[in-house]
This record gives sequence, C-alpha cells and structure tokens, in this order.
Amino acid sequence: EPEVTQTPSHQVTQMGQEVILRCVPISNHLYFYWYRQILGQKVEFLVSFYNNEISEKSEIFDDQFSVERPDGSNFTLKIRSTKLEDSAMYFCATRWGDYGYTFGSGTRLTVV
Amino acid sequence: EDQVTQSPEALRLQEGESSSLNCSYTVSGLRGLFWYRQDPGKGPEFLFTLYSAGEEKEKERLKATLTKKESFLHITAPKPEDSATYLCAVGHGRGSTLGRLYFGRGTQLTVWP
Repeated sequence: EPEVTQTPSHQVTQMGQEVILRCVPISNHLYFYWYRQILGQKVEFLVSFYNNEISEKSEIFDDQFSVERPDGSNFTLKIRSTKLEDSAMYFCATRWGDYGYTFGSGTRLTVV
Repeated sequence: EDQVTQSPEALRLQEGESSSLNCSYTVSGLRGLFWYRQDPGKGPEFLFTLYSAGEEKEKERLKATLTKKESFLHITAPKPEDSATYLCAVGHGRGSTLGRLYFGRGTQLTVWP
C-alpha cells in the first residue's frame, strides 16, 4: 500500500535554529498538507499546497513557516528561528480527491 | 466556529464487550466526516469517510454511521489489538474542493483481555 514517508523521525534542535522537515508524498497525489500535534492536544492544520502554491493556511502558519516542493517529489516544511512552543509531532498528509487523507508517520520535533 | 467534539475521552472495554464512540460536529459546508486510528507516536491511519446522513461503512469489527449532527463508531466484540486513539475529523468545503480537516481530541480506547 502506498505510503507517505517523512524524515527525520525525530529532530532535536536548539531554540532559534532553523529546521527543515521532509516528506515524500504518494506519487499520484496532488494535494499536500502539513499538520501538527502538540503532545496531548488535537491534530491541527497548518497549511495546504496545490499546484506548487499555498492554497490555504491557518493562523498558526505565520512568517516563521514556509513550504516548498523543491524537486517535484519532496515536500518540505521549514521552520525559521524555532521556539520552545514549536515542539510537536509534525505530520505530512496527501490526497488526490475528496477521499481520506493519507498521513505519514510524523517527525517529532523537540526544541531545547 | 467550526467544532468537533468526541466522547468519551477514554474508554476501557473488556475483550468482546461492544461499545460506541461519539463524534458531534458543527461545521458549515461539510465535505466528509473522517475516522482515523492513531497508535502512540504514529500518524493517523485512515479508517472511513462518510459523506451524507444515513451513510454507514464497515470494516472488520468497526462500523461508522453518520447523522446530520454526529457520527458513531461502533466496535463489535473488540480485541486487545483494537486499543488505540480513535480520531474524528470533518472536512471543510472550499468552493468545489475539500479544504482543511478539523480534528476532535480523540477517544483513547483500551481493550483488556
């Protein structure tokens, strides 16, 4: 069964550093998303990406965050100048129609 | 404000003891109600999508139903391997396409032998 692959599985970074989280979407999917889940809280939407541009973003997705699809296969989330409150599980998700999203296994980001 | 509320927060069942999880929602432009299973430290695993009131879907010991205001996930004769957090999410319509998902907090299910 096709999978969404995320790397790394765990990243520890110092406060103020930049991190890049990577995702390899399912090949025929057209819509890409980033969600996050702070420990013990809901899964929250960050951003959606379609046709090489952001189609929707949440209030969480401020200037600190950016997304891109640099080489037509990988889909990345960059967090500039990380803060302690950015510590969370970050999930990439993809879909190709009005069907269930397929989520990756996530990257656990720990900011110290 | 769009909201998804799941109950109970936690549920402990003995193996074989059937029960139901509830998801109530208020959202404009509903474009699907989704059920996911999440194991600790993992991403949500897709179970079902329901689109309209009256719709039902089944998979092994799970059956999902949908009304205009809520959805139920029925678990029949659960086994310990069904232990997980079950997440409900609603898809928000944006024009002709599906937009973001709004998730509930989930129901943590524990099935003991």
